[in-house]
Amino acid sequence: SQQGEEDPQALSIQEGENATMNCSYKTSINNLQWYRQNSGRGLVHLILIRSNEREKHSGRLRVTLDTSKKSSSLLITASRAADTASYFCAKLGRETSGSRLTFGEGTQLTVNP
Amino acid sequence: ETGVTQSPTHLIKTRGQQVTLRCSSQSGHNTVSWYQQALGQGPQFIFQYYREEENGRGNFPPRFSGLQFPNYSSELNVNALELDDSALYLCASSLGWGFDYEQYFGPGTRLTVT
Repeated sequence: SQQGEEDPQALSIQEGENATMNCSYKTSINNLQWYRQNSGRGLVHLILIRSNEREKHSGRLRVTLDTSKKSSSLLITASRAADTASYFCAKLGRETSGSRLTFGEGTQLTVNP
Repeated sequence: ETGVTQSPTHLIKTRGQQVTLRCSSQSGHNTVSWYQQALGQGPQFIFQYYREEENGRGNFPPRFSGLQFPNYSSELNVNALELDDSALYLCASSLGWGFDYEQYFGPGTRLTVT
């Protein structure tokens, strides 16, 4: 079963707007990672945020983590048509060994030119 | 590009057949994980190999098996294929299997079972 749940399932915006995607999870985590996937291809790692961190930035990406609410958000600022993709959060849980990622079902982002 | 390669890119098999998918990990990475991604879903963990030993397994039946070789490349074998096995199969390599290691994904193999 999927542990992470992304919201919304689909998001359509205009180029230049900001896009916010949310992820909730049910059990405790060691870290949470965000990935991007273009049209059924491989996953590209975006950001890893640890359970003791609250916010991380990478270029136009900003990820926040609220462990009390068991939720995370990914903000893409000044979106571009090339940002059109599916975005997944994946948790690395404390209850599992190794580096087994548990993914949500993703948010399909469409950025219209 | 992550440096992780997978072959073949696509293949079509018939129900009941067997299939082998291959993954070449990024240089220096000793851990390979395999994931199955059905259409419209997030990837699901199949199993992980660390230094040629299985290091964790997801909720997949025994007909899903794997190998990791001394050069850390890996194979995923699926026997007695079922229609529900149609999916994108992703492998990911990492420097280790601890909590802080990022996983680098290959482009995937699209398997269609008819």
